[in-house]
Amino acid sequence: EDQVTQSPEALRLQEGESSSLNCSYTVSGLRGLFWYRQDPGKGPEFLFTLYSAGEEKEKERLKATLTKKESFLHITAPKPEDSATYLCAAFNSGGYQKVTFGIGTKLQVIP
Amino acid sequence: SQTIHQWPATLVQPVGSPLSLECTVEGTSNPNLYWYRQAAGRGLQLLFYSVGIGQISSEVPQNLSASRPQDRQFILSSKKLLLSDSGFYLCAWKTGTGGNIQYFGAGTRLSVL
Repeated sequence: EDQVTQSPEALRLQEGESSSLNCSYTVSGLRGLFWYRQDPGKGPEFLFTLYSAGEEKEKERLKATLTKKESFLHITAPKPEDSATYLCAAFNSGGYQKVTFGIGTKLQVIP
Repeated sequence: SQTIHQWPATLVQPVGSPLSLECTVEGTSNPNLYWYRQAAGRGLQLLFYSVGIGQISSEVPQNLSASRPQDRQFILSSKKLLLSDSGFYLCAWKTGTGGNIQYFGAGTRLSVL
């Protein structure tokens, strides 16, 4: 069974305190991996797609990396506005693109 | 540019009542469309997907159904709601030709009482 596991479930950081979120996956026919940001009561907002081990993507204070078994979302010098739930999702190479989502990491950045 | 609209934002319905949630996409043709449900403490669960008008596939047997009457319209329905149907429902689309990114609507919070 395809599975995506995110850790930690919740993370509380002081403003400026860098950290990383982890996503491990077991997906048959893996094509790539998404990172999304979700604010409370809103739909997920796309951040990154990663396709191959060693790939990195950056956007402002966020950098996503991918290995053969895991992905990391590094947050450098976070600000309170980075507070959100970050979702990791793996997608396959099948016809309709099955996406398996993790539960997410709820990040709180304290001023 | 492409946009996705989903309504209503919130809905409170009694057990046994019908349901209709609507999703429309603008600025693209022949998108792949998806309905997900997000429950607290669980990842997004795919309910239905559609690759074209009238083509619906179900991932999970349940009390819900979906229809795609027009190219960019996707509807989630139920004849009789159950308490267990409560949750956060999300519609998503991706381009039907190449591309992998799924873009989500704002979601509908459904409470069945």
